[in-house]
Amino acid sequence: NAGVMQNPRHLVRRRGQEARLRCSPMKGHSHVYWYRQLPEEGLKFMVYLQKENIIDESGMPKERFSAEFPKEGPSILRIQQVVRGDSAAYFCASSPVTTRTNTGELFFGEGSRLTVL
Amino acid sequence: KQEVTQIPAALSVPEGENLVLNCSFTDSAIYNLQWFRQDPGKGLTSLLLIQSSQREQTSGRLNASLDKSSGRSTLYIAASQPGDSATYLCAVRQRGGGSEKLVFGKGMKLTVNP
Repeated sequence: NAGVMQNPRHLVRRRGQEARLRCSPMKGHSHVYWYRQLPEEGLKFMVYLQKENIIDESGMPKERFSAEFPKEGPSILRIQQVVRGDSAAYFCASSPVTTRTNTGELFFGEGSRLTVL
Repeated sequence: KQEVTQIPAALSVPEGENLVLNCSFTDSAIYNLQWFRQDPGKGLTSLLLIQSSQREQTSGRLNASLDKSSGRSTLYIAASQPGDSATYLCAVRQRGGGSEKLVFGKGMKLTVNP
């Protein structure tokens, strides 16, 4: 069972360009979370999605950022008109549906490191 | 609002020492607590997960405890090795409210010197 797959692992963009980060959850997982890690800071929650639904986007900046998790295909975090402050590591995590017998453990990908020049 | 704190931010010890890493959280309404390890430039590796109804979990040289009423968890590392050098992150999973996101501490950078 492959783990959470993120790509690209490294992405360089110039200011004003768009960045698209992809995340394929573990097989059987229907919940996806995106986190951002700025240099020397902890991981900050951005958005929580289930298939075709955004459940919680309270950590997502109101402008330029969007996320989706379509019925088919990976989850995508999209950053439009990137600025230098968007440079960070973006981590995706997935978990199965939480039930009485399910630990609700989150599994993280290796991250996508965005550098904005 | 849930806040997770890890103190100290960094720790440097000689090889062989037994270590205790501390984590505290402000809201006891949690689903579970998870300890992670992060190596430089890498992703997060889950070490131990403790459900809110549990008191502790063990895996090899690692033991994690949870005291939900006091809002504390500790990660115990026995007989530390240089390979244990990494940043250790504590995270709690919120209960209820329609969102079960993890809230992370800032981590503790551990260096084990040979």
